[in-house]
Amino acid sequence: SQQGEEDPQALSIQEGENATMNCSYKTSINNLQWYRQNSGRGLVHLILIRSNEREKHSGRLRVTLDTSKKSSSLLITASRAADTASYFCATDARNQGGKLIFGQGTELSVKP
Amino acid sequence: GAGVSQTPSNKVTEKGKYVELRCDPISGHTALYWYRQSLGQGPEFLIYFQGTGAADDSGLPNDRFFAVRPEGSVSTLKIQRTERGDSAVYLCASSLGRNYGAFFGQGTRLTVV
Repeated sequence: SQQGEEDPQALSIQEGENATMNCSYKTSINNLQWYRQNSGRGLVHLILIRSNEREKHSGRLRVTLDTSKKSSSLLITASRAADTASYFCATDARNQGGKLIFGQGTELSVKP
Repeated sequence: GAGVSQTPSNKVTEKGKYVELRCDPISGHTALYWYRQSLGQGPEFLIYFQGTGAADDSGLPNDRFFAVRPEGSVSTLKIQRTERGDSAVYLCASSLGRNYGAFFGQGTRLTVV
């Protein structure tokens, strides 16, 4: 079974707006990662946040982590049509030796 | 190579046949992961290697699936007696280890007819 669950399943916004995606997980984690996948196949790593971190930034991306609520959010600011993709969170659970478990993803559509 | 390479990119096979899918990770990456993904779903974990050994193979669905990484670099996912339900995109990823992001290949689309 998957560890992370993203919410919402699908999100449609206008260019320039912010997009927020959430991820909830079940067990204690070593780190949590966000990935992007365009239609096609390869996933691209965006950000990794460790369990002792609360927030990380990378360009227009901001990730927060709340270990007490077992949740994370990915914020994309000033979205562009090129941000249209599926976004997945992946958890490295503390007692699982390093394997990454992915959620079902959020499908983001940014309309020009 | 510069990235993770998977071959073939597409494979069509008949039900009951044996297939091998290959993954060439980024040089120096000790961790290697195999996933499979169906349309509209997230990547489903299959197996994870640290070096040559399978650190976790709990995601392999049954004993028809097997993966090796004999020299700690290239990995092969082997599927015996393929079934139509095995049809999916098989993804490979590699990383420097825990607390590093994983780099994915473009996947092998397996179709069992």
